[in-house]
Amino acid sequence: DADVTQTPRNRITKTGKRIMLECSQTKGHDRMYWYRQDPGLGLRLIYYSFDVKDINKGEISDGYSVSRQAQAKFSLSLESAIPNQTALYFCATSDHGRGTEAFFGQGTRLTVV
Amino acid sequence: AQSVTQPDIHITVSEGASLELRCNYSYGATPYLFWYVQSPGQGLQLLLKYFSGDTLVQGIKGFEAEFKRSQSSFNLRKPSVHWSDAAEYFCAVVQGAQKLVFGQGTRLTINP
Repeated sequence: DADVTQTPRNRITKTGKRIMLECSQTKGHDRMYWYRQDPGLGLRLIYYSFDVKDINKGEISDGYSVSRQAQAKFSLSLESAIPNQTALYFCATSDHGRGTEAFFGQGTRLTVV
Repeated sequence: AQSVTQPDIHITVSEGASLELRCNYSYGATPYLFWYVQSPGQGLQLLLKYFSGDTLVQGIKGFEAEFKRSQSSFNLRKPSVHWSDAAEYFCAVVQGAQKLVFGQGTRLTINP
């Protein structure tokens, strides 16, 4: 089993619909992140959480919300999906410390039509 | 704020040729720098990282990178590429407590 699991892997949804992307990890890490990848823009941070009671906005949080249900689970929601939220979404985890490696899920490809 | 620039969006090299992918960072102090690789349909995997010490860092899959403070660069190199190296490569720097800031990525194509 993968250390960081994202569900679903692919999703097509309609404009205005609410959608949730889920992430779970077996690494035992406290820190979890949601990134969005767009061609030519690299990965941009949406939200991050350093422990269960800690939620922080990243650089592109508008239109998104998150929930940290447990140490191992971190969900990303699009309250009312719009076409420019079509992207590849990655969840990642890391241990404490500035230099520790981040472990990524395989990504969720979301298309908003 | 810290930032990372990868000047080359797409690079094509022949199998067996040498490779250098460029990365420039903007950061006041000594940065924590990373290179990640994303194979098609996969998540990102760490190739190597630099915090301090020896400025030439060895990573997995035969990759290395050299930190040059005077040039604000952390270029990734490989002496001889293999077809399996075709992927997208991301340079990243740690911002603040522990947030990774990524460059735009460089897509590598290998010609047979």
